[in-house]
Amino acid sequence: EIVLTQSPATLSLSPGERATLSCRASQNVNNYLAWYQQKPGQAPRLLIYDASNRATGIPARFSGSGSGTDFTLTISSLEPEDCAVYYCQHRRNWPLTFGGGTKVEIK
Amino acid sequence: EVQLVESGGGLVQPGGSLRLSCAASGFTFSSHWMAWVRQTPGKGLEWVANIRHDGGQIFYADSVKGRFTISRDNAKNSLYLQMNILRAEDTGLYYCARGYETQANWFDPWGQGTLVAVSS
Repeated sequence: EIVLTQSPATLSLSPGERATLSCRASQNVNNYLAWYQQKPGQAPRLLIYDASNRATGIPARFSGSGSGTDFTLTISSLEPEDCAVYYCQHRRNWPLTFGGGTKVEIK
Repeated sequence: EVQLVESGGGLVQPGGSLRLSCAASGFTFSSHWMAWVRQTPGKGLEWVANIRHDGGQIFYADSVKGRFTISRDNAKNSLYLQMNILRAEDTGLYYCARGYETQANWFDPWGQGTLVAVSS
């Protein structure tokens, strides 16, 4: 099973600042990595798939990069509505697994 | 508007059974992979099972294999999860999710979830 480790656990930033979230895979997942956003009381929403492709309707301030074992989700300029937990997920093989999440707080 | 609405959750004793349903609307259900994903206090987000658009391929997490059965009825635009021999660690919020575009294993959108509690 591929383990996805996300860091930091919590990120506290001000509106307008840049957020950088990390996801590290225990094995090579090529570019088969996605990022999801989960706001309080809501279901997760797909942000990025195949490491760097924005899903339909996702604002351009969200971007993904990386391949192999190291991946990054960047929010270029934080908005108050970006307060959420962000998860990564791979689809390299079975079982599909998720990371433990990074909570983004807005100061 | 794409909608996924789960139902069937509840409180059940260890060893018991539940059947979850997911009613889909706003898209061509028969063209998409579908999945169940759960969110538990202990393990966070955990993929449970996937089923191909025609039901011809099915995959399960090891933790539920042999106990849970995913199925679909394309005529009724519905997805199901039959859960047997339930354990305390199956407690959580169960989401129905659609495969994103033609992808099997990226999930979007998700329903709001149905809560399963396994306790004596």
